[in-house]
Amino acid sequence: GAVVSQHPSWVICKSGTSVKIECRSLDFQATTMFWYRQFPKQSLMLMATSNEGSKATYEQGVEKDKFLINHASLTLSTLTVTSAHPEDSSFYICSARDWTRPYEQYFGPGTRLTVT
Amino acid sequence: KQEVTQIPAALSVPEGENLVLNCSFTDSAIYNLQWFRQDPGKGLTSLLLIQSSQREQTSGRLNASLDKSSGRSTLYIAASQPGDSATYLCAVRQLRGGSQGNLIFGKGTKLSVKP
Repeated sequence: GAVVSQHPSWVICKSGTSVKIECRSLDFQATTMFWYRQFPKQSLMLMATSNEGSKATYEQGVEKDKFLINHASLTLSTLTVTSAHPEDSSFYICSARDWTRPYEQYFGPGTRLTVT
Repeated sequence: KQEVTQIPAALSVPEGENLVLNCSFTDSAIYNLQWFRQDPGKGLTSLLLIQSSQREQTSGRLNASLDKSSGRSTLYIAASQPGDSATYLCAVRQLRGGSQGNLIFGKGTKLSVKP
């Protein structure tokens, strides 16, 4: 089946630093990837949608200069949280769509970010 | 604006019991509805996907129904097992954008099945 991986699974960083999270589709080509954020006991909130080779589309209220998304290849997207603050601490989940099965989205295992 | 609500927020049942999880959505203009399972600190596993033209889908002990006109879906779990313990998320895909539409998630129902 379609597998999406994320790295790292867990990261702690100091306030003011930047952290990069990778999302990879392991056995399919993902023309579209999605980044979600999930706070405790809350639903997943879509942050941005990225299509390979083009700029990401950010949801209202999400700062594009703070959450940098790069989707440079059909199997890799990265999310960089710049100048992280404690309120950025959250669970970040990526999702990828297989271009041959556009009605399906496959989710990664998530990355727990803690900013101290 | 589409809103997805799941009731109850948490549920604890003894092993072997049949149970129903509820999901409601405010805008019936959906492309499809999907139920996911999320284990603690983990990503999502898709359980069932119901297209807007369908009434239900079944997979093993799971049965999901959809009443689009009333904005409701249920997930029925038969003969629950401790391994079913997880958070169950309901998500609707917006009609706008078709198969490319955004998924809107509920907050989930945390299920605990006690042996």
